Amino acid sequence: DAGVTQSPTHLIKTRGQQVTLRCSPKSGHDTVSWYQQALGQGPQFIFQYYEEEERQRGNFPDRFSGHQFPNYSSELNVNALLLGDSALYLCASSFNFEGATQETQYFGPGTRLLVL
Amino acid sequence: DAKTTQPNSMESNEEEPVHLPCNHSTISGTDYIHWYRQLPSQGPEYVIHGLTSNVNNRMASLAIAEDRKSSTLILHRATLRDAAVYYCILKWSSGNTGKLIFGQGTTLQVKP
Repeated sequence: DAGVTQSPTHLIKTRGQQVTLRCSPKSGHDTVSWYQQALGQGPQFIFQYYEEEERQRGNFPDRFSGHQFPNYSSELNVNALLLGDSALYLCASSFNFEGATQETQYFGPGTRLLVL
Repeated sequence: DAKTTQPNSMESNEEEPVHLPCNHSTISGTDYIHWYRQLPSQGPEYVIHGLTSNVNNRMASLAIAEDRKSSTLILHRATLRDAAVYYCILKWSSGNTGKLIFGQGTTLQVKP
């Protein structure tokens, strides 16, 4: 059983460009959350997708957007990249049961984004 | 979101028990206490969680103070593979989206 997978593993972009990161959830999971982890810091919640809609959002600007597909996979898009967007982007999947996300979230290995 | 406080770093010897403390004095009655850890170059992984009673699983034990204002993650026999950043997280469970609020965590070093 494959766990959470993310692509690409590494990415280098320049300021002002746009980037798309991809995530496939663990089998049987229907909810995807995205986190940003700057070097030396804990992950910060960006947003969560369930039933192809953004269900909750953290304190991130509109430059950060996402999408969830019918097969539950998800994309994170970042427009107008800034140097400060350089970070590890983590995807986590979980299962929603009776309106509540179950306790355990499974994280992928992340995508390392470097903005020059 | 309720906040947790953890020491920045701790050291342990291999095959000895490790007690990782976490303070959460503003915890509410509906907050569950979760622990995740992040091994080098990996995403975080779930370790254990609890509400009021002490909990055990194959990875660790969680001891929760009677007033729930603090908790301790216990690794019974540390191995080199347990070297990681350990995060203590409070998560409101009932009917929520499962958002995790990470702090700085405790970096655990395990010496052979």
